[in-house]
Parts: sequence; structure tokens; C-alpha cells
Amino acid sequence: SQQGEEDPQALSIQEGENATMNCSYKTSINNLQWYRQNSGRGLVHLILIRSNEREKHSGRLRVTLDTSKKSSSLLITASRAADTASYFCATDAGGLYNNNDMRFGAGTRLTVKP
Amino acid sequence: EPEVTQTPSHQVTQMGQEVILRCVPISNHLYFYWYRQILGQKVEFLVSFYNNEISEKSEIFDDQFSVERPDGSNFTLKIRSTKLEDSAMYFCASSTVSYNEQFFGPGTRLTVL
Repeated sequence: SQQGEEDPQALSIQEGENATMNCSYKTSINNLQWYRQNSGRGLVHLILIRSNEREKHSGRLRVTLDTSKKSSSLLITASRAADTASYFCATDAGGLYNNNDMRFGAGTRLTVKP
Repeated sequence: EPEVTQTPSHQVTQMGQEVILRCVPISNHLYFYWYRQILGQKVEFLVSFYNNEISEKSEIFDDQFSVERPDGSNFTLKIRSTKLEDSAMYFCASSTVSYNEQFFGPGTRLTVL
């Protein structure tokens, strides 16, 4: 079924370093979204990138989308300890009609050491 | 800033009992969703709801599940006869239109004993 898959599963870096997480998916999409989840908490929307976009920025976040490779990356620059969380990509099912169900990957667990 | 709210934050129930999880979506949103996350696993789509009817549902959303928007603000998920494997975090989300970002509530942790 259509879903994003992130890699790596876990990433540990020092504060100030950049963190890059990747997501791959299987079929065509209309958009791809990145979410963050602190342990045991809800999902926080970070950024949405549409299939006709290649790159998007929001603060310290940079998202790229390569529809030919069916992949996306999330870059967090100048990481902080507070960025420690799980990061998920989610894709819709593509197609012309309403496709509201978002399919999530298993996530990348990011640990930023102070 | 408007946000999605969910009640209760934690629900403990006996196997076979009915539970109703409640959500208040963001007021000007038109699309509503339920997801679940079993501990340590990925977030799974259950159902989407628009214009007072289910627009999509996953294979998880069987006859034991139902959704309702009983008034202009609440959006509920009912599980008729809970099973042990229904234990999970249940997240409600809403969006203005389809293809836009979905805003999630903090979740309800359901524990079935």
C-alpha cells in the first residue's frame, strides 16, 4: 500500500550539527508531509510539499522532493537538543479525487546530544 | 492559535466494552480524520469524514468502528466491542480541504484490559 518509509531508523548527532532524514514512497502522490512527534505526544505538522514542488524551506527546515526517485529528504540545520523527537513522512494516495488518508512511515528517531 | 482537542487523554476499559473517543476539530475545518498508533509502531489511517459522511476508510476500520459528528463541533470515534489489540493511541486530525496539511490532536491513549 502507498506509504512513506524513512531512513535511517535512528540518528544521533551533536547539537549544532545538521540532521538529514530520508523518505521513500511507492506510487504517485499529490503531496508529502513531514511531521514531528515527541515521545508519547501528538503529531506536529512541519511542512507540506506538493508534487510539483522540488524544495521548500521553513526556518531551519529544508525539504526536497524528487518525484522521479519517489523520495524526499528533511534537513534540520544547526540542530538543538529540543529537536530530539521522531520524524515521520506521510503521503497521500495520489489520484484525481479526494485522497485524504495519509500513510505514515515508521519514522526516524532523532537524538540531538547537548 | 486554534488547535484540535481530544478527550479523554487516557481511557481504560474492559475487553468487550464500548468506548467513545471525542475530538473537537479546528472550527473552520471541513475534513476530519482518525488515526491510531500502536505502541512503538507507525501511525495508521483509520477513516476520513467530510460533509457528514465517511469519505475513505482503511481495512482496519471494520464494523466495530463508527464515526459521528453529532453536532457542529464534536467528532467521535466509537468502538463497539473493544479487543485487546485495540489498545493504542488514537489521534484525531482535521484540515481545511483535502491535500492540505492535517492538524493533529494530542491523542487519546486507549488501554483495553
